[in-house]
Amino acid sequence: YELTQPPSVSVSPGQTARITCSGDALAVQFVYWYQQKPGQAPVVVIYKDSERPSGIPERISGSSSGTTVTLTISGVQAEDEADYYCQASDSSGIWVFGGGTKLTVL
Amino acid sequence: QVQLVQSGAEVKKPGASVKVSCKASEDTFTNYHINWVRQATGQGLEWMGWMNPNSGTTGYAKNFQGRVTMTRDTATTTAYMELSNLRSEDTAVYYCARTGNSGYDYWGQGTLVNVSS
Repeated sequence: YELTQPPSVSVSPGQTARITCSGDALAVQFVYWYQQKPGQAPVVVIYKDSERPSGIPERISGSSSGTTVTLTISGVQAEDEADYYCQASDSSGIWVFGGGTKLTVL
Repeated sequence: QVQLVQSGAEVKKPGASVKVSCKASEDTFTNYHINWVRQATGQGLEWMGWMNPNSGTTGYAKNFQGRVTMTRDTATTTAYMELSNLRSEDTAVYYCARTGNSGYDYWGQGTLVNVSS
């Protein structure tokens, strides 16, 4: 199955960025979100649709509605500029990543 | 603190195989699945498969079935990913990552595999 993300999102500092991820499996499977900065390994920023790991700022949040999930970054800062990937598994334990979204802070 | 330390960069010719290692710094190695993810330059993340270090059970993405083998050595808390019949399109950074309670919570530093004639 596939997870679909917009290739890019651009926002000005202080604004709210929303990155969507859609796929049929998302109606029944949890989504995980990863942030990846150039030259670094990805870091999980949201797990199980809306849970935030320790150390992740509260301005990063996740929500789910049907077959679409949304990563929201409020009060965007320059340090949030990165690639973001959604991820989910199917019922047999096979994982898939979305194509990734490049967040640009103008 | 959990660390996953991967082996160094590799240069391989088309048709060859490569085996990348991922050493976990913890004695709970068998408690968490190890996944392998690759990323070609400028491209997105591609999931390759998972392994249960306790049982050795594996699950592979369809794109890699028949070419990838994931194994482990519990005595040295090391996971391995071997990819055979390499082609130029396999040139990428290969990551191992642990499936924790909050997703892939720990990642290796990545291993560059360059396939070139």
